[in-house]
Amino acid sequence: QQQVKQSPQSLIVQKGGIPIINCAYENTAFDYFPWYQQFPGKGPALLIAIRPDVSEKKEGRFTISFNKSAKQFSLHIMDSQPGDSATYFCAASFGNQFYFGTGTSLTVIP
Amino acid sequence: DGGITQSPKYLFRKEGQNVTLSCEQNLNHDAMYWYRQDPGQGLRLIYYSQIVNDFQKGDIAEGYSVSREKKESFPLTVTSAQKNPTAFYLCASSAGPTGVDTQYFGPGTRLTVL
Repeated sequence: QQQVKQSPQSLIVQKGGIPIINCAYENTAFDYFPWYQQFPGKGPALLIAIRPDVSEKKEGRFTISFNKSAKQFSLHIMDSQPGDSATYFCAASFGNQFYFGTGTSLTVIP
Repeated sequence: DGGITQSPKYLFRKEGQNVTLSCEQNLNHDAMYWYRQDPGQGLRLIYYSQIVNDFQKGDIAEGYSVSREKKESFPLTVTSAQKNPTAFYLCASSAGPTGVDTQYFGPGTRLTVL
């Protein structure tokens, strides 16, 4: 059973657009929600993370929106650039247990 | 320069061979993990270890083995019992229950069965 459901599987936007990637979870024990960015042939790198006591967190062009009642969270990339083209994974964790979404392949067209 | 190192970057295995992937971290993290990533798929947990000399099976442990004799090291052996081992293998670590729960990843090892 997939603990974290991620959508869409792939996404294509024009440069300057705002791609949005969504994730949903069921286990209310999760208390940490990170997003990772992965380029081909590389390991995932932590991008931004949020805890359930806040509804939004912004770091540079990346924003996480968190809806605790709906058990959903999303990543927004403002003013997207071709260099943002990568695979993005959401995750949820409690303790040392980490659960990942299936990933979203983002392509930003110049 | 702190981080996680994995070696080798590329590994080729003949059928019937066991191979060992190396993972070392100098972040002083208690917990370490091994994931398998197949094209277009997410990360699947193979094994994890929360403390030296202790480890637990993840979702796809069959055909794999690990050891955790030192805090810094968590090698993964892909045995001949693993029927489809060609994949990208990622090692990760986190501080553990007493620290920040962010998980950090190494650069990965791509294993190909010839």
